[in-house]
Amino acid sequence: DSGVTQTPKHLITATGQRVTLRCSPRSGDLSVYWYQQSLDQGLQFLIQYYNGEERAKGNILERFSAQQFPDLHSELNLSSLELGDSALYFCASSVVDRQTYGYTFGSGTRLTVV
Amino acid sequence: DAKTTQPPSMDCAEGRAANLPCNHSTISGNEYVYWYRQIHSQGPQYIIHGLKNNETNEMASLIITEDRKSSTLILPHATLRDTAVYYCIVREISSGSARQLTFGSGTQLTVLP
Repeated sequence: DSGVTQTPKHLITATGQRVTLRCSPRSGDLSVYWYQQSLDQGLQFLIQYYNGEERAKGNILERFSAQQFPDLHSELNLSSLELGDSALYFCASSVVDRQTYGYTFGSGTRLTVV
Repeated sequence: DAKTTQPPSMDCAEGRAANLPCNHSTISGNEYVYWYRQIHSQGPQYIIHGLKNNETNEMASLIITEDRKSSTLILPHATLRDTAVYYCIVREISSGSARQLTFGSGTQLTVLP
C-alpha cells in the first residue's frame, strides 16, 4: 500500500458517458497529479493541483476536468467519453519540500469505454 | 527539464547485477536524476535519486558520472520481480509546489531465469 488511494480500480462504461475518478493522497501531501497511460503508451501528465488550486496543466482534453477538495482528495471527471479514452489513470501525490524525492503513485483506475 | 535517453530494452540473468544506463547530456546544475520503475500496469514506484554523488539505498545504487551527463542504475542482484519498465527522469527540485514528473519511454528490463 503506497498510501495513495484510487477508486474505483476498474470502470467499464459506454461512449458518451461521464465518470469520476477519485484519489486520496498520502497523508500530509499537498500536491496531487493525474496521469493517463493508454495501452502500450507512456505516462502522460494531465493536471496538477496544489492545496486546492490548479497548478499545472499538461495534455488534458477539454472534456476532462479535475478538482481538489479542502480535505485534499482529488477527483478527475471525464465526460463525453470516447473509445480512445480507455486507459489507466494514475494519481500521484508529493510533499512540497526542497528535499522531496518521492512522488507516490496510486495503483490506478483502469477505465474501459465500450 | 533536461531530456534523457535510455535503451528501449535490456535482459539480465536472475541473480546477476542489472546495469541500466541513462544519458542526460543537457542536464543543468540544479537538476536531479530520478529513477522510477513500473511493473506491468502498476503505479510507478520511486527507486532512487541523486544530484552528483553516488547514492545507494535498499533497492539500488545510482552512479552519476563526474560531468553528470550520464548515470547508471544498478540493481545488485536482480530477481524475476525486478522485471519492469525503468524510467530515468531529470528535473529540478524547486521551492513551492513540486512540478510534475515527465516520463519518457524508459527501458524494459526483463530478468531471465
